[in-house]
Amino acid sequence: DVVMTQSPLSLPVTLGQPASISCRSSQSLVHSDGNTYLSWFQQRPGQSPRRLIYKVSNRDSGVPDRFSGSGSGTDFTLKISRVEAEDVGVYYCMQGTHWPPETFGQGTKVEIK
Amino acid sequence: EVQLVESGGGLVQPGGSLRLSCAASGFTFSSYEMNWVRQAPGKGLEWVSYISSGGTTIYYADSVKGRFTISRDNAKNSLYLQMNSLRAEDTAVYYCASGDYGGWGQGALVTVSS
Repeated sequence: DVVMTQSPLSLPVTLGQPASISCRSSQSLVHSDGNTYLSWFQQRPGQSPRRLIYKVSNRDSGVPDRFSGSGSGTDFTLKISRVEAEDVGVYYCMQGTHWPPETFGQGTKVEIK
Repeated sequence: EVQLVESGGGLVQPGGSLRLSCAASGFTFSSYEMNWVRQAPGKGLEWVSYISSGGTTIYYADSVKGRFTISRDNAKNSLYLQMNSLRAEDTAVYYCASGDYGGWGQGALVTVSS
């Protein structure tokens, strides 16, 4: 199974400041069809997960443009350009290239300083 | 808009059984692959099972293989997870999610305890 490793696991941030989360996979996530199936999810306290980003850098409908995804191969990053209070929660990366199983990172908890 | 609503969670003794349901609306359910994902208390997300749109292709996580059965009824826009031989480590919130994980339900809590 592909292992997804996120860092940091805890990220205290100041409102209005940028934040960055790293996600590394144990093998390349480039699929034979040329796509890279790496997604990012946000889980606010007490809520279900919500997909923010799919195929590395594509933002879902309704996701603020302060969220952006980048990366390739085995190294990926989720960036929040200016953190807002509503961004508090746990963020997960997930690979869908080598499945089953699809595998998630451990999660990164974003909190306000 | 994709809407998914789970039901059927509850408290069950070790070795017992439970059946979760997921009612889908707002999209053409019969065209979508579906998944079950679980989250143990205070822990991360774990994929549990997948079913293709027509129900002909099914996969399970090793941790539930042989004990859980995924199924769907496209006429009823419903997804199911039959859970047998439940263990304490199966205690979690169980989410149904669309195949591309663009839609998630609110979750159903399953507690396995004596």
